[in-house]
Amino acid sequence: GDSVTQMEGPVTLSEEAFLTINCTYTATGYPSLFWYVQYPGEGLQLLLKATKADDKGSNKGFEATYRKETTSFHLEKGSVQVSDSAVYFCALSFKETSGSRLTFGEGTQLTVNP
Amino acid sequence: ETGVTQTPRHLVMGMTNKKSLKCEQHLGHNAMYWYKQSAKKPLELMFVYSLEERVENNSVPSRFSPECPNSSHLFLHLHTLQPEDSALYLCASSLLGGTGELFFGEGSRLTVL
Repeated sequence: GDSVTQMEGPVTLSEEAFLTINCTYTATGYPSLFWYVQYPGEGLQLLLKATKADDKGSNKGFEATYRKETTSFHLEKGSVQVSDSAVYFCALSFKETSGSRLTFGEGTQLTVNP
Repeated sequence: ETGVTQTPRHLVMGMTNKKSLKCEQHLGHNAMYWYKQSAKKPLELMFVYSLEERVENNSVPSRFSPECPNSSHLFLHLHTLQPEDSALYLCASSLLGGTGELFFGEGSRLTVL
């Protein structure tokens, strides 16, 4: 079946450090790929997405590129802030006529210290 | 404002109680979902409703009973729960035929005593 593997956390960085959270997937076909973020006490928010190979999703300084060759969708940010502290989830889905079936990774806890 | 509103945000219940979680979406979507988020476990898809019809039930115990009276509202009725059912229950919605992304509510934190 489909699966998503994220780098294990927790990840702790200092403010302005470079962030990479690795995500690889296993799927038959070409899914859409997503990064969701969950701030403390809140639900999941879509951070960025890519729907086909070589697409780059970006939002709030975060970027991820859909790499078909390596089945990866790594999340990067050049300079993290304390406010980026959250749990980050990588996910995939295929379009289905009866609704989306998102498959999530286990999440990576990020803590950014001032 | 997320566009998907869940109530209550927090709920404490005994094992013999009956309660309901409510979800409302204001995005014009036509598919709705319940997910369970437990500590140290991946998000689990519980139910999927497409055009108000249940299309998926992922081996969820019968003590959880969903209801989708229209495309904007989704309920999760709870009865005789177990302490291991304590978790964050997340509602989501999507547009059929879109790019597959889900829009989540802020969740209902359930504690079963």
